[in-house]
Amino acid sequence: DTAVSQTPKYLVTQMGNDKSIKCEQNLGHDTMYWYKQDSKKFLKIMFSYNNKELIINETVPNRFSPKSPDKAHLNLHINSLELGDSAVYFCASSQGHAETQYFGPGTRLLVL
Amino acid sequence: DAKTTQPPSMDCAEGRAANLPCNHSTISGNEYVYWYRQIHSQGPQYIIHGLKNNETNEMASLIITEDRKSSTLILPHATLRDTAVYYCIVRVAGFTGTASKLTFGTGTRLQVTL
Repeated sequence: DTAVSQTPKYLVTQMGNDKSIKCEQNLGHDTMYWYKQDSKKFLKIMFSYNNKELIINETVPNRFSPKSPDKAHLNLHINSLELGDSAVYFCASSQGHAETQYFGPGTRLLVL
Repeated sequence: DAKTTQPPSMDCAEGRAANLPCNHSTISGNEYVYWYRQIHSQGPQYIIHGLKNNETNEMASLIITEDRKSSTLILPHATLRDTAVYYCIVRVAGFTGTASKLTFGTGTRLQVTL
C-alpha cells in the first residue's frame, strides 16, 4: 500500500523523444509536487499543485508540463528530451501546501 | 537557496546516539525547522519538525536552542539502516506560496558503522 507511487521506476530514452512520468498518492492529500535530483544529488523543486492549481513553477523549461487530472494524480510530461534531463524525478504530496511532504520512490530517467 | 549549514559528513557507531547539528542563524520567527533524510536511491523521508520547543517522535528527537539559531537531530540508538543523507530545512508553515517550499541543501551524510 504505497502512499506515493510513481511509474515508471526507470526510463531510458533517446534525445528528442517525448515521455511522461506518472504519480499517484492515496493519502487524500490536496497538494502534489515534482522534484528533480541531478547527478550531483541536489534536490530541487520544480512544480507544486494545490487542488489542481499550479502554485509553484520554478523556472523550469516549458518542455516540462505538469498535468493534474485530479487531486490524487500529478503527471509530468517532458517534450524533446535533452541529455541534461537525465536525473531522478521525485513526486511528493502533502495536506496543505505548507505541511509535511511525503515522497515517492523516484523515477530514474536516462536520456541517451 | 538553503538557509542552513550542516557538516558534510559524520560517523556513528551502531547502538550509539547520533547527534546531527544544524545552523540556521537567519531563521525567522514564523519558520519551522524540518528534518528529512534520504537513504541511498530512495525518496526523502520526513523525520521530524519543530518551531521552538523540543520535539520527539518514534524516529528521533529535535533539540532547538533558545535563540532558535541552531538545532540538533538526535537518533537515540543508531542502526546501520540509519545510514543516509540528513537534511535540515527551514521553512514557513501554514502559508501557501514559495516561502513554504522545501529547499534542500547538501545535508550531512551519516555513516553508521559496526
